[in-house]
Amino acid sequence: GQNIDQPTEMTATEGAIVQINCTYQTSGFNGLFWYQQHAGEAPTFLSYNVLDGLEEKGRFSSFLSRSKGYSYLLLKELQMKDSASYLCAVTDSNYQLIWGAGTKLIIKP
Amino acid sequence: VTQNPRYLITVTGKKLTVTCSQNMNHEYMSWYRQDPGMGLRLIHYSVGEGTTAKGEVPDGYNVSRLNQREFSLRMESAAPSQTSVYFCASRNASGGANEQFFGPGTRLTVL
Repeated sequence: GQNIDQPTEMTATEGAIVQINCTYQTSGFNGLFWYQQHAGEAPTFLSYNVLDGLEEKGRFSSFLSRSKGYSYLLLKELQMKDSASYLCAVTDSNYQLIWGAGTKLIIKP
Repeated sequence: VTQNPRYLITVTGKKLTVTCSQNMNHEYMSWYRQDPGMGLRLIHYSVGEGTTAKGEVPDGYNVSRLNQREFSLRMESAAPSQTSVYFCASRNASGGANEQFFGPGTRLTVL
């Protein structure tokens, strides 16, 4: 079956760095997405990786290793507004998105 | 992407419809449900006007792709197990790199 694993919850301190991991086993691979979802709101797009390596976008970076079925989202200089759930999703061979359950990130002052 | 209604409370056995509309000329539209502790689960999707297909959890739900812009979700006989938050999403159909845009969500409670 298809499976995406990410930690349920993480806690970090304002101003620090946090890494949220995602491992996947899917039938085919056509890219990996990270989305941010604030409580009570819709998910919004953060990043897309299809090739191995690191993609940097401001305070957020996303890494992919296709051979290991692994990705991480790196958040630097954490701000209180970064408190949210972070969703990992993989596009399979049929171009359907398979979603992880999300990681709830709690930022403490 | 817009959805209506945003909040809905109904009783077991009632029929209900949630509408979704997008103005980005996207071919692909989909309906998800999101429950605590679970990832987004695909209910039904459409790759263009007049087409629909089943997703991961289609039972108890019907959809209609009325035109390029609109994709509605229907429950013919609502059940308490359908209490959830429902998201409509759209994207361009071609390729795998196209991000999905989500509606604001519809919070449904079935008593």
